[in-house]
Amino acid sequence: EDQVTQSPEALRLQEGESSSLNCSYTVSGLRGLFWYRQDPGKGPEFLFTLYSAGEEKEKERLKATLTKKESFLHITAPKPEDSATYLCAVQGLNQGAQKLVFGQGTRLTINP
Amino acid sequence: NAGVTQTPKFQVLKTGQSMTLQCAQDMNHNSMYWYRQDPGMGLRLIYYSASEGTTDKGEVPNGYNVSRLNKREFSLRLESAAPSQTSVYFCASILAYEQYFGPGTRLTVT
Repeated sequence: EDQVTQSPEALRLQEGESSSLNCSYTVSGLRGLFWYRQDPGKGPEFLFTLYSAGEEKEKERLKATLTKKESFLHITAPKPEDSATYLCAVQGLNQGAQKLVFGQGTRLTINP
Repeated sequence: NAGVTQTPKFQVLKTGQSMTLQCAQDMNHNSMYWYRQDPGMGLRLIYYSASEGTTDKGEVPNGYNVSRLNKREFSLRLESAAPSQTSVYFCASILAYEQYFGPGTRLTVT
């Protein structure tokens, strides 16, 4: 059974204080790993897809990396507007119809 | 281009009442999904539709039914609501592994 565990559950940083969020996964063959951002009261918003170990993707202050067992979302010099819940999801090779398994999310707060 | 839209945004039901949550997408995507999101549980797949005319159960289908009315619309029905179905419901559609989510329906069952 595919599983995703995110840590920490919550993270509070000062503006400009860089850090990383972790997503550990177990899957019988990885088709893709996905990162989403979710603001309160809204639906998740797609950020990145990673397909193979060693792959990296960047968007503004965010960089996602992937190994064979986990993914990190690095946040460099964050701003208060980066405050959100960040969700990680995987799709295994045995999952048809592009079904995703989600982690519980990391709630990130950036204080000014 | 509205993306994925959901109605209603909020709903309160009494135990045993029925209702249908509506979802529509204007991106011409084949696959559509219904999730529920509960505190500490993450997003869990209820039902999905890989293409028009097909539907399949996800992780937590009990107590729900779905209809893929056409390529644009995918509805979720609660026949007899229970307090355990209090949740936030999200509809999503997918293009090349990128899922696009609607704004959600917050449902409370008393």
